[in-house]
Amino acid sequence: LAKTTQPISMDSYEGQEVNITCSHNNIATNDYITWYQQFPSQGPRFIIQGYKTKVTNEVASLFIPADRKSSTLSLPRVSLSDTAVYYCLVPISGTYKYIFGTGTRLKVLA
Amino acid sequence: DSGVTQTPKHLITATGQRVTLRCSPRSGDLSVYWYQQSLDQGLQFLIQYYNGEERAKGNILERFSAQQFPDLHSELNLSSLELGDSALYFCASSALGWGGQETQYFGPGTRLLVL
Repeated sequence: LAKTTQPISMDSYEGQEVNITCSHNNIATNDYITWYQQFPSQGPRFIIQGYKTKVTNEVASLFIPADRKSSTLSLPRVSLSDTAVYYCLVPISGTYKYIFGTGTRLKVLA
Repeated sequence: DSGVTQTPKHLITATGQRVTLRCSPRSGDLSVYWYQQSLDQGLQFLIQYYNGEERAKGNILERFSAQQFPDLHSELNLSSLELGDSALYFCASSALGWGGQETQYFGPGTRLLVL
């Protein structure tokens, strides 16, 4: 049974780096892991995507270890506006179905 | 703005009724996905369509159905509504709809309240 888990919540202070991990127990070698940010009553917003090692864009980095059983979203120098829920999304191996992580509620404090 | 549009934004209806949610994908995207977000179940994959054909079914109830039309817009039909169907319903679209580096872009959602 495909399962994707994340810590329920995290607190951080402005300017700090935040790392949020997603554990996924069954993804194929070439499957991409995608991370989203969601504000209340809005649709998930794409942050970053990758399938191995490290990916970086202008807002985040994504680290994927060799065993690909987890991935870590890294947000450098968070600000108050980064307070949101963060989700990972992975395909269910061998299908066209997808599973979202349980979501991590990040609260950034001044 | 992701480029995915959904209508209506809000919908209030009664138990036993039927509603239709509409989604227009980003220009050029062939794949449409539907998700349900409720407080106790999180974000759940319901169904995917690719270029008019159903590609995958997730946790979609038999009372729910969907289709993708030739112009690629999609509709999610919810019938015999129950209180527990109250949720946010999101549509997403992607260019291809298969593995590889395809990214799902989400619409703003439709909030359904069943009374």
